[in-house]
Order: sequence, then C-alpha cells, then structure tokens
Amino acid sequence: LAKTTQPISMDSYEGQEVNITCSHNNIATNDYITWYQQFPSQGPRFIIQGYKTKVTNEVASLFIPADRKSSTLSLPRVSLSDTAVYYCLVGVGSGNTGKLIFGQGTTLQVKP
Amino acid sequence: GAGVSQSPSNKVTEKGKDVELRCDPISGHTALYWYRQRLGQGLEFLIYFQGNSAPDKSGLPSDRFSAERTGESVSTLTIQRTQQEDSAVYLCAIIGGLLYEQYFGPGTRLTVT
Repeated sequence: LAKTTQPISMDSYEGQEVNITCSHNNIATNDYITWYQQFPSQGPRFIIQGYKTKVTNEVASLFIPADRKSSTLSLPRVSLSDTAVYYCLVGVGSGNTGKLIFGQGTTLQVKP
Repeated sequence: GAGVSQSPSNKVTEKGKDVELRCDPISGHTALYWYRQRLGQGLEFLIYFQGNSAPDKSGLPSDRFSAERTGESVSTLTIQRTQQEDSAVYLCAIIGGLLYEQYFGPGTRLTVT
C-alpha cells in the first residue's frame, strides 16, 4: 500500500486559495488518489478523486503531475466553514476495492 | 453518511465489559470497513470485508477485537474485556458511487470508564 505524507496543519484566511500537497512516492499503476474532508464529530466525506492531470468539481480541484508521486488539493476562496481535517488516500477507485489506510491528515484552520 | 447507519451512537461501558457495535449499510455494498479514531487523532484501519472473501483483519489491535459480517448486510464489531484505551469513535464505511468512494456512517462514540 502506498503511504501518504501530508503537512500536519495549515492556516489560511477567508477568501484565499489553499493548496494542500500530499506525497505518495510508492503509488501503484492502478491506484487512484482520493481526498476526504472531516469536520469534528463527523465521519469523513468524499471531496474529489483523480488518476492523473487535473480534476475539478464544484468544491475543489485536484492536480496530479505526470509521475503521480504527489497530488495537490486546491480549495478556491476558502471560508470559515472549510476549517476541517483533509485526508489524502491512495488506492480505491473506479472499480477497484481494497484496504484503505488514512494518514494523519492536514488540519486546515481558516481565520477571518 | 448516506446509506450507512451505526448503533449505538454513544456507548459508555465499564472497564472489563464486552461491547458490540453495529454497522447497518444499505444492501448491495460488498466492501465494508471499520476504523477507529481516538480523540484528536487520524483514522486507524481495523478491518475490511469484501464480499465472500476472507476479511482483512490486519488492523485489529488485539485479539480482544473481532468483527463479523453476514453477506452484504449488517456488520458487528465486538470488543471484549474493554480497556480505557479502547475509548474512541468507531466508524464504519462502505464503498459506493461512481468513483467507488467511501461513505462513512456517523460513528459510535465508545467511552470506557
């Protein structure tokens, strides 16, 4: 299983763009990269998933370089409600299932 | 989370007692996961069920922990002779959606006194 490494914490201010980078040097060919968001007292919830290049949805963008050894979650114009823990996972996606290991995550604190 | 319920939502038990936690997913989801999350910590993988295959129990911390699942339905996580360090939120997740993402239940908060 590919291990992921993320910064423990990040601070930002409302209205700024936030980029959180995750390293996954041992990613396998059939692995996908998935990001989850967790608020206090709730289970994680899916944000975005990608395999390569760039993926964008209504809440975030995911940038994956050609070697796929890292990925960057981009949150545009964050608000106070984006304060949460963000987890990067490598593994399951598009028809694959298997053991999923969460790293320690990145605690994002958005300040007014 | 959509499609997964867990019970009880809170459980307070005395040290040494056994507890059983329940995860009830919408039927038809073959993959089911249990995680433990201690206060202020990340998620620890416990066990993974995939259809009729043997479960991956590699994350269970000790032989006091066990889990069962019948087919693609309810799963139970049992902790025997609970210890204070077992206090945590226990989360259940299934795989679903077009991107095979995980959907988490609300969790069971276990407090061992």
